[in-house]
Amino acid sequence: QKEVEQNSGPLSVPEGAIASLNCTYSDRGSQSFFWYRQYSGKSPELIMSIYSNGDKEDGRFTAQLNKASQYVSLLIRDSQPSDSATYLCAVGPSGTYKYIFGTGTRLKVLA
Amino acid sequence: NAGVTQTPKFRILKIGQSMTLQCTQDMNHNYMYWYRQDPGMGLKLIYYSVGAGITDKGEVPNGYNVSRSTTEDFPLRLELAAPSQTSVYFCASSSRTGGDEQFFGPGTRLTVL
Repeated sequence: QKEVEQNSGPLSVPEGAIASLNCTYSDRGSQSFFWYRQYSGKSPELIMSIYSNGDKEDGRFTAQLNKASQYVSLLIRDSQPSDSATYLCAVGPSGTYKYIFGTGTRLKVLA
Repeated sequence: NAGVTQTPKFRILKIGQSMTLQCTQDMNHNYMYWYRQDPGMGLKLIYYSVGAGITDKGEVPNGYNVSRSTTEDFPLRLELAAPSQTSVYFCASSSRTGGDEQFFGPGTRLTVL
């Protein structure tokens, strides 16, 4: 059973701080990794995708991938109250056509 | 470019009724997916399709059926609705498997009473 694990939270950080969200996955053959943001009552929207070991930066967001440790993380710098949402980690298909989602980490940014 | 659209946005069904949730994408994506999301939970895959005429079961297919007659449309059919099917349903598409992100529709909130 392929799995993606996330801490459900809530993770509370003060405004302006760095929020660090973590995710582990079980399938060593996985090659693509995604972070989605989901506001309450809304659909998931893509924040970052990452395919290679190391860091990938986009504005205030940095995704980090370590395939050897089967670990992917998302850093949000200068956190804003508007970043308060649930963040879903997803792993792309490996040997199948199915994406595997974690249950999400709820982030609260305190003004 | 509308992306992925879903109808209806909300629906209340009585136990035993049937309905079809509509999903359409205008990105010419081959891969389409149906998920359900229960409150406070992650996404569970119901069915997926890798192209017109090709569908397969996900992890929670019981009580649902799908068809894919065109690239654009991927309707989800609920037969004999049960309270356990109360959930939010999301349709998603991706251009190819393994490398591309999924694009999600706005969702359908279904209540079965």
